[in-house]
Parts: sequence; structure tokens; C-alpha cells
Amino acid sequence: GQQLNQSPQSMFIQEGEDVSMNCTSSSIFNTWLWYKQEPGEGPVLLIALYKAGELTSNGRLTAQFGITRKDSFLNISASIPSDVGIYFCAGQLSKTNAGKSTFGDGTTLTVKP
Amino acid sequence: DAGVIQSPRHEVTEMGQEVTLRCKPISGHNSLFWYRQTMMRGLELLIYFNNNVPIDDSGMPEDRFSAKMPNASFSTLKIQPSEPRDSAVYFCASTRDGTSTDTQYFGPGTRLTVL
Repeated sequence: GQQLNQSPQSMFIQEGEDVSMNCTSSSIFNTWLWYKQEPGEGPVLLIALYKAGELTSNGRLTAQFGITRKDSFLNISASIPSDVGIYFCAGQLSKTNAGKSTFGDGTTLTVKP
Repeated sequence: DAGVIQSPRHEVTEMGQEVTLRCKPISGHNSLFWYRQTMMRGLELLIYFNNNVPIDDSGMPEDRFSAKMPNASFSTLKIQPSEPRDSAVYFCASTRDGTSTDTQYFGPGTRLTVL
């Protein structure tokens, strides 16, 4: 089946630094999604990408859908303490099937004030 | 809007017991998903429903797991009999229609511990 490799597994950064994380897949996806999960909560969608090459921003977050459709990255600029959490990428094959998501293993972000 | 509601938030049970997890999707949402999250396997889709009908249950680990959606506002995930390896956080999520790449809204999860 499809597998997503998400890296890095964890990051410890200083407040104000920029963060970059990425996901790669052995096969193509038609949609890439980035979620954030905080302790005791479910994942919350941050950014959705629907087209190869698409670059989308949500405040300090920017994500891109790789041209090959096998990868995506998420950048966070000027990190703040509330950015702490686990960030997941997810890929979907079909735009008409919102259920078939494959999730990466997550990147745990720690921001030191 | 109350969001997706799950109950109980925590469940501790003994091996062999039946466990029932409950989910109330967001009102007006037509698709509902059950996920399991563990350290070893990450976030896995177990089953999802569209308009109360199970569409894909290929992620259900084995016959001990069953899910139902008797109406648009309620779903259950049942494990019978439960085993220690079922210990995980179980999430329910819903989307508005499931026919497009719509935002999945996750509930807070049920943390299940099977002793």
C-alpha cells in the first residue's frame, strides 16, 4: 500500500525561527493535506493542496504540492510557542473520496521561548 | 457549533470485555470516519460512512471490530472481545459531503486502555 515518509520526526527550535518539514511518497497523490494535533485533541486541518505545483499560505504557514505529486512541504515562519504540536501530512488519491487519507507519522515541534 | 462529540473520553477495560465508542458528527455533515492512533502505527483509517452507509471498511483490523451508523447523528465503534493490543486513541471525524475534498473535522478522541 501507499506509504508516507514524513521528516524530520521531531524538531526543537527557538522562538522566532523558521521551520520546514516535508513528506514524500512512493506513489502519487492528487491531494495533500497538512494537519496539526495538540495534546488531548484531534488533528485540525491547516492547509489543503489540490494541484501539483500549488503553493498555499495560511498566515505564517506555507505549503507546497510537489510537481511530481509524490511530495509536499510545510513551512512555518517566525515560530511562536503556540506552534507546539504534532504536524501530520496526509495524502489522498481521489478528489471525490474524502475518506481515503494516508497519514504520515508526524513531526513533533517544540518551540523554546 | 459543538463540533464532533465523542464519548467516553477515556475508557479502561479488561481483556475480553466489550467496548463501545460513540460519536456524534457535526450536524449537517454526511460523511463520518473512524480512525485509530497509536505510537507504532500512527493514524489509521478504520472505516467511513457516507449518508449512513459504510463505504469502505478495509481498515477494520479484524472481525472483533464493528461499526454502525443507525442515523445521521450517531455512530458506534464496537470491539468485542477487546485485547490489550487494541489500546489506542480512537478518533471520529466528519465532513460535509464526502464527495469532494472537504475539511475533516476531528473529535477529541477516546483513549482506550485494555488491561
